[in-house]
Amino acid sequence: QSVLTQAPSVSVAPGQKVTIACSGGSSNIGNNDVCWYQQLPGTAPKLLIYDNNKRPSRIPDRFSGSKSGTSATLGITGLQTGDEADYYCATWDSSLSVYVFGTGTKVTVL
Amino acid sequence: EVQLVESGGGLVKPGGSLRLSCTASGFTVSAAWMSWVRQAPGKGLEWVGRIKSTSDAGTTSYAAPVKGRFTISRDVSVNKLFLQMNSLKTEDTAVYYCTTDELVYSGGYAYFAPLYFWGQGTTVTVSS
Repeated sequence: QSVLTQAPSVSVAPGQKVTIACSGGSSNIGNNDVCWYQQLPGTAPKLLIYDNNKRPSRIPDRFSGSKSGTSATLGITGLQTGDEADYYCATWDSSLSVYVFGTGTKVTVL
Repeated sequence: EVQLVESGGGLVKPGGSLRLSCTASGFTVSAAWMSWVRQAPGKGLEWVGRIKSTSDAGTTSYAAPVKGRFTISRDVSVNKLFLQMNSLKTEDTAVYYCTTDELVYSGGYAYFAPLYFWGQGTTVTVSS
């Protein structure tokens, strides 16, 4: 049972925008930087966002991240079928002294 | 170019042991913070543990479900990271990924990016 909560799934039409929320607490999101990972079907996860809102150079600017209080959000614009994947938020939990992942959100592009 | 290649997975009986290896290229394992992450069949991601760089004392940390049973170590001579898994349980069945953190430099600042690079994973099945 994860300390970071995400909606299990979301469906979006091609070309549209989606936002994925990640809810935590003061010991994790509230006091530590958040990352987001994308896991395409049958592949290893890939870092999308680090330090709440920064993208590795290989990640297109259609992906964005933000944080407010004990919640974080991943935004994806111009949805493509190639974006169909599971998305996980993650951060350090200072109370548990472990790196915690969110429950994951499956994005389907209809 | 950074590459991580895991090996050593397989079928093991409950109570048994297994050692996973992660062969790194493009960087020196002693200079990096490296973690193991696992994913049980049909489930989400779970952080297993981490070893810090030598310059950060090489400290190890573990998730509660594996603490006392799993040990992370490295061998600089072969540039490999290891995960020694003892007293294995059926709930340890998962794909195990080797990852490494990265310091990203942008605008004159350095940012810490956890689990920046990932291997392809190796499958561990614990079953009688």
